[in-house]
Amino acid sequence: SQQGEEDPQALSIQEGENATMNCSYKTSINNLQWYRQNSGRGLVHLILIRSNEREKHSGRLRVTLDTSKKSSSLLITASRAADTASYFCATDSWGKLQFGAGTQVVVTP
Amino acid sequence: GAVVSQHPSWVICKSGTSVKIECRSLDFQATTMFWYRQFPKQSLMLMATSNEGSKATYEQGVEKDKFLINHASLTLSTLTVTSAHPEDSSFYICSATGVQPLNIQYFGAGTRLSVL
Repeated sequence: SQQGEEDPQALSIQEGENATMNCSYKTSINNLQWYRQNSGRGLVHLILIRSNEREKHSGRLRVTLDTSKKSSSLLITASRAADTASYFCATDSWGKLQFGAGTQVVVTP
Repeated sequence: GAVVSQHPSWVICKSGTSVKIECRSLDFQATTMFWYRQFPKQSLMLMATSNEGSKATYEQGVEKDKFLINHASLTLSTLTVTSAHPEDSSFYICSATGVQPLNIQYFGAGTRLSVL
């Protein structure tokens, strides 16, 4: 079953703008991960944040985690057309990943 | 590094036939492999987890006789959809772990199955 909800379901922005998407989950976790999926392809791991971390950065990505609210956010700064993809959060509970519904991001030039 | 190859990428078959999908870790030994199913514009649903040399663990609601998983070596897992029917049409994706950190999964490119 799906672990959580992602918000928004879809996001359309222009190049250079920031994209923010949120993920909520229901159970306790070891860590939370964000993945990216280009249309009709497999997933690519972006970033992992442990349950005892509150914020993590990787290049243009910034992830926050609030375990008290059971929520996480992914911020993509200075977006590019190549960032167009679906983004999924996934909670890791003892080695199994449960994915959220995903946010479809379209970045127009 | 940490490349997972999935084959075929696309398969069309007649109802009642069986289809085998291969998932290979190309440059690492996969301690665990996972099989997911994804419907259009939806999330990934975990079907089963397999460890080399042991039986796969199936998620609730997944028919183990319908979806046969074999993990014969540390670099290869196969999913066979037996007696496929149109409702089995879907996008199947495998992933593998085995590279530190072990909690990151590396995904294949997926297989689109269309059952006529």
